[in-house]
Amino acid sequence: QQQVKQSPQSLIVQKGGISIINCAYENTAFDYFPWYQQFPGKGPALLIAIRPDVSEKKEGRFTISFNKSAKQFSLHIMDSQPGDSATYFCAAEGGGGFKTIFGAGTRLFVKA
Amino acid sequence: DVKVTQSSRYLVKRTGEKVFLECVQDMDHENMFWYRQDPGLGLRLIYFSYDVKMKEKGDIPEGYSVSREKKERFSLILESASTNQTSMYLCASSVEGGTGVQPQHFGDGTRLSIL
Repeated sequence: QQQVKQSPQSLIVQKGGISIINCAYENTAFDYFPWYQQFPGKGPALLIAIRPDVSEKKEGRFTISFNKSAKQFSLHIMDSQPGDSATYFCAAEGGGGFKTIFGAGTRLFVKA
Repeated sequence: DVKVTQSSRYLVKRTGEKVFLECVQDMDHENMFWYRQDPGLGLRLIYFSYDVKMKEKGDIPEGYSVSREKKERFSLILESASTNQTSMYLCASSVEGGTGVQPQHFGDGTRLSIL
């Protein structure tokens, strides 16, 4: 019930294309869903986050879509660029706790 | 800008050694975390601390302990290192969120090899 399942494990996208990463959770007590971006040799950094009271959040080329009834959320990267090549982690937090539950990560490669 | 600094980028130790990984944050954050990152497994929480001298077990605490004597410093200790503890270790901190949850700020990691 504490898991966050992330797919795909890796993704190759053409420059200018749309990258889509999906996550699913079980625990309905989660109330904060961040996405982290990690470049090689660096720690993860917060990219964008959403709370379940909205169905979509957009920041530049990055959009989170949230489906509360299905307990799923996804990250869309529009006009993907080679500089977006990184590992992306979805996560879930909440229920009054301190713990963040991370997905297994998606390695994105954008071809130039 | 928040800075989380891990003392070593790369570390090589021998089986059975006691290993210390140090983490310092400069933003007066209440919460600090230690994760290990392994391919295909994502980030797994080892221990976290929400205040000085307070610690809580995460999902995989076996073989590890932690120390938080000062607010800005959180140490991870491998009591007797084993080869299955070879991994990337990430430290993170976050401010106390009150009614909300705050994002975590990560260090750049320590790649630890146990021979």
